[in-house]
Amino acid sequence: TQLLEQSPQFLSIQEGENLTVYCNSSSVFSSLQWYRQEPGEGPVLLVTVVTGGEVKKLKRLTFQFGDARKDSSLHITAAQPGDTGLYLCAGPNAGKSTFGDGTTLTVKP
Amino acid sequence: DVKVTQSSRYLVKRTGEKVFLECVQDMDHENMFWYRQDPGLGLRLIYFSYDVKMKEKGDIPEGYSVSREKKERFSLILESASTNQTSMYLCASSFHRMNTEAFFGQGTRLTVV
Repeated sequence: TQLLEQSPQFLSIQEGENLTVYCNSSSVFSSLQWYRQEPGEGPVLLVTVVTGGEVKKLKRLTFQFGDARKDSSLHITAAQPGDTGLYLCAGPNAGKSTFGDGTTLTVKP
Repeated sequence: DVKVTQSSRYLVKRTGEKVFLECVQDMDHENMFWYRQDPGLGLRLIYFSYDVKMKEKGDIPEGYSVSREKKERFSLILESASTNQTSMYLCASSFHRMNTEAFFGQGTRLTVV
């Protein structure tokens, strides 16, 4: 069974701070997706990383896929209250997705 | 943009009722999924479908059934609702088996009383 572990589980920071959240596995994934879910809404796909060592940027968000394709990180620069939400990573598993349990981020004004 | 639409945002049903949750996607995706999301338990896959009229059990299918009569529509059925089925239900679709990038609906918050 391919599992994805996310850390930290909860993160509360002030507006303007930087942060990094992690998604780790003992298994190799062909790709990993990152989603953000706002309270009361469905998750929204942010990015897919495919190549080991790949770095993708989405405005203030930087996503990195580990060289061995077993882990990924999401770095947010100068966090804003609008970044508040649940961040989920997911990887393909026999045509379905395996999801991590997520990191709940709160950015205080 | 891909749009996945769930029929209700909020639903309150009584114990023992038969409940239908509807989901429609407009991008000709082959795969459709039903999840439930509970605090501390993450996203759990209930059922999924790779094609019309086919269905596969996910991790927690007990107490649920599904129907996919048309490619764009995937229905989740609670045969006899129970209070432990109170949850957030999320429908998702993806292009095909080799592409698992999922597009989610807005969710249905179901309360069974």
